[in-house]
Amino acid sequence: TQLLEQSPQFLSIQEGENLTVYCNSSSVFSSLQWYRQEPGEGPVLLVTVVTGGEVKKLKRLTFQFGDARKDSSLHITAAQTGDTGLYLCAGASGKLIFGSGTRLLVRP
Amino acid sequence: EAGVAQSPRYKIIEKRQSVAFWCNPISGHATLYWYQQILGQGPKLLIQFQNNGVVDDSQLPKDRFSAERLKGVDSTLKIQPAKLEDSAVYLCASSFKGFIHSYNEQFFGPGTRLTVL
Repeated sequence: TQLLEQSPQFLSIQEGENLTVYCNSSSVFSSLQWYRQEPGEGPVLLVTVVTGGEVKKLKRLTFQFGDARKDSSLHITAAQTGDTGLYLCAGASGKLIFGSGTRLLVRP
Repeated sequence: EAGVAQSPRYKIIEKRQSVAFWCNPISGHATLYWYQQILGQGPKLLIQFQNNGVVDDSQLPKDRFSAERLKGVDSTLKIQPAKLEDSAVYLCASSFKGFIHSYNEQFFGPGTRLTVL
């Protein structure tokens, strides 16, 4: 069974701080996606990383895919209150396998 | 462009009752997915349709869950009879193509929150 573990499960920080969330697995994935989900809504895709070692930037968000394509990280620089939400990683292996998510609260 | 539509948004039923959820995907999207998201967990794929055919239903509890996409457009997911552990958000998603090369973006609806008492 392929599993994706995300850490931390919950993170509460002050606006302006930096943070990193992690997504780890013992399985290799052909690609990995990061989603953000807000209360009462479905997940929205932020990025897809495909190549081992790949780094993608989306404004203040930096995503990295591990060299072995088993893990990934999301770094947010200077967090804003609008970044609050549930961050989900999902590994692609014929279908999407989701992690359990990191719930981020950015306090003003 | 209209997004994925789902109804109802909320449903409360008692155990052993039946319930049905409806999903209308984005126009032109051939692939439709139903996910179950239990509180505190990530979404889990229940079933994937390519047009009106089932691609993957390996995690669908077939003794109580059923789904159909008769005309290859909208879809219904049914639970009969419901159990307490079925309380969850049921998400529908669609994509233009199937998830062959893992590049395709899935667009999610807002979900239906089911509470089984």
